[in-house]
Amino acid sequence: QKEVEQNSGPLSVPEGAIASLNCTYSDRGSQSFFWYRQYSGKSPELIMSIYSNGDKEDGRFTAQLNKASQYVSLLIRDSQPSDSATYLCAVIGGGFKTIFGAGTRLFVKA
Amino acid sequence: GAVVSQHPSWVICKSGTSVKIECRSLDFQATTMFWYRQFPKQSLMLMATSNEGSKATYEQGVEKDKFLINHASLTLSTLTVTSAHPEDSSFYICSARGQGAFSYEQYFGPGTRLTVT
Repeated sequence: QKEVEQNSGPLSVPEGAIASLNCTYSDRGSQSFFWYRQYSGKSPELIMSIYSNGDKEDGRFTAQLNKASQYVSLLIRDSQPSDSATYLCAVIGGGFKTIFGAGTRLFVKA
Repeated sequence: GAVVSQHPSWVICKSGTSVKIECRSLDFQATTMFWYRQFPKQSLMLMATSNEGSKATYEQGVEKDKFLINHASLTLSTLTVTSAHPEDSSFYICSARGQGAFSYEQYFGPGTRLTVT
């Protein structure tokens, strides 16, 4: 079992829709969770961090964390073609090591 | 957010030569820096982790004598690819994690595209 799992996609949504990206992790002791966006040919960019159960909103982005289910998600409201990218879930587990998922490719159709 | 710079952004070198890539944290002190490699359409692959003033910890399968990492200060880490070969051509990305408010979040540099001919 991979430590951080994401559906590779591609996830295709129409412009203006809500994109929902999901991630599960195996280390029950993990306390810090992040979402990165990576455009093709570019390096990852941190877009959200979440540390407590529940929702955290920042503009069109909402991160959701459920530690009991070992599940973290990212919702993108009013999706735009410029949101088309690969989204990486990252988790800090034991040993203070950041583990990245393989990423979900999102495609927003105009 | 914190800013990490990387230089050069791209480099072409001949097989057998060495290439040095610099990574700097511009507005925070990076206690830990990471070096990743990414091949086209593939996931990030962690190569090594370095703490300021200490030897780098390399991931399994990464040759420490080929990929020399120096984390000489809290704002600078360097990766030297020695005796580069065409199979070393890749996108190399550094990342930094700092202190206090930056102690959990990891920020990436813009990456260096290496082509070995």
